[in-house]
Amino acid sequence: DGGITQSPKYLFRKEGQNVTLSCEQNLNHDAMYWYRQDPGQGLRLIYYSQIVNDFQKGDIAEGYSVSREKKESFPLTVTSAQKNPTAFYLCASSRQGESTDTQYFGPGTRLTVL
Amino acid sequence: GDSVTQMEGPVTLSEEAFLTINCTYTATGYPSLFWYVQYPGEGLQLLLKATKADDKGSNKGFEATYRKETTSFHLEKGSVQVSDSAVYFCALIPDKLIFGTGTRLQVFP
Repeated sequence: DGGITQSPKYLFRKEGQNVTLSCEQNLNHDAMYWYRQDPGQGLRLIYYSQIVNDFQKGDIAEGYSVSREKKESFPLTVTSAQKNPTAFYLCASSRQGESTDTQYFGPGTRLTVL
Repeated sequence: GDSVTQMEGPVTLSEEAFLTINCTYTATGYPSLFWYVQYPGEGLQLLLKATKADDKGSNKGFEATYRKETTSFHLEKGSVQVSDSAVYFCALIPDKLIFGTGTRLQVFP
């Protein structure tokens, strides 16, 4: 079955530590995205990538970093510079990143900073 | 800038009731419009979409019509079930996906 996987489902981090969230897709999609969801709010775009070895900042990129070394993978690192990292993180992908392309979402990772 | 406004929830209904969740948008050009659903503890699933004016998206008994004259994309279902309880997000994509804040639907037996 094709789809998007995110791991782990739950992640706990101590303050001051970096942590990396995994996102893998086997849909052969070119574009991938990372969103952050806070309680009672919509999703906000952190980073996106339309092609391997290229990515762009979204609306709230500060304190986050990404890489896109393979088409299937788009890991997100939450750095210690992110002031309020506790949130639900969602990865998505779309065929080509065109405006009419549907984005498909993974199951999410819930990050809690202790 | 481009934006999406959804009715605030929660929306509380009895099983088999009629559902409407309002969504209006502000955008330049002709964006594609989407409804996504999020079940507790899960990611988002695409429910339906419409890519041009007067298009009707439909799926699992849910419908929404792209109304350019009223800049709306209201979600409707004729008879809700307990299993429809979730958070529903309206979204548009002029150049990137922009989400509303979500509307929680609670359906009781």
